[in-house]
Amino acid sequence: AQSVTQPDIHITVSEGASLELRCNYSYGATPYLFWYVQSPGQGLQLLLKYFSGDTLVQGIKGFEAEFKRSQSSFNLRKPSVHWSDAAEYFCAVGDLNAGNMLTFGGGTRLMVKP
Amino acid sequence: EAGVVQSPRYKIIEKKQPVAFWCNPISGHNTLYWYLQNLGQGPELLIRYENEEAVDDSQLPKDRFSAERLKGVDSTLKIQPAELGDSAVYLCASSLRWDSYNEQFFGPGTRLTVL
Repeated sequence: AQSVTQPDIHITVSEGASLELRCNYSYGATPYLFWYVQSPGQGLQLLLKYFSGDTLVQGIKGFEAEFKRSQSSFNLRKPSVHWSDAAEYFCAVGDLNAGNMLTFGGGTRLMVKP
Repeated sequence: EAGVVQSPRYKIIEKKQPVAFWCNPISGHNTLYWYLQNLGQGPELLIRYENEEAVDDSQLPKDRFSAERLKGVDSTLKIQPAELGDSAVYLCASSLRWDSYNEQFFGPGTRLTVL
């Protein structure tokens, strides 16, 4: 069965600093990977996705993620964090054989210091 | 274009009471998902609909949970009777189809508190 691990439950960074959120997955075939962001009281918004091709994918709000098959990782990065980036971030793996079911990690809560 | 609409946004009930959540997906989206999100955790799939057919309900606790999607559009998720452990956020999502990795669009969720 597929699974997703986000090792960091909480991360605090200063505004303007760089950010990297870790995501490790377990999946038997070529993974389909996603990063979602959830602000308080809001639904999940898709930041970016990886299906195939270039292993460095660009998303919205200046985020990018790199797929590394050898490390089973799909880490999310941003070069300069803004206070509005404070939110909960979820990594997910999709299973096309199970109706596009998403399996989510436990999430990483990002706090931004002024 | 309107996104996925859910109501109510918040619901507080006493244990053993029934409760229902409503979801209106994005127009034209054939696939509808209900997810359960416990505090501090990622969402977990409860049920998936293709049009009006529930094609994956293996994670739905059928002794107390039920769902329907009449006419393949709106959907309702019901709990009867509610238990303390059902306190969570219930998310609805929709996508055009399930078989080509169309993006899932999520609603804001319904936060349920069972006292």
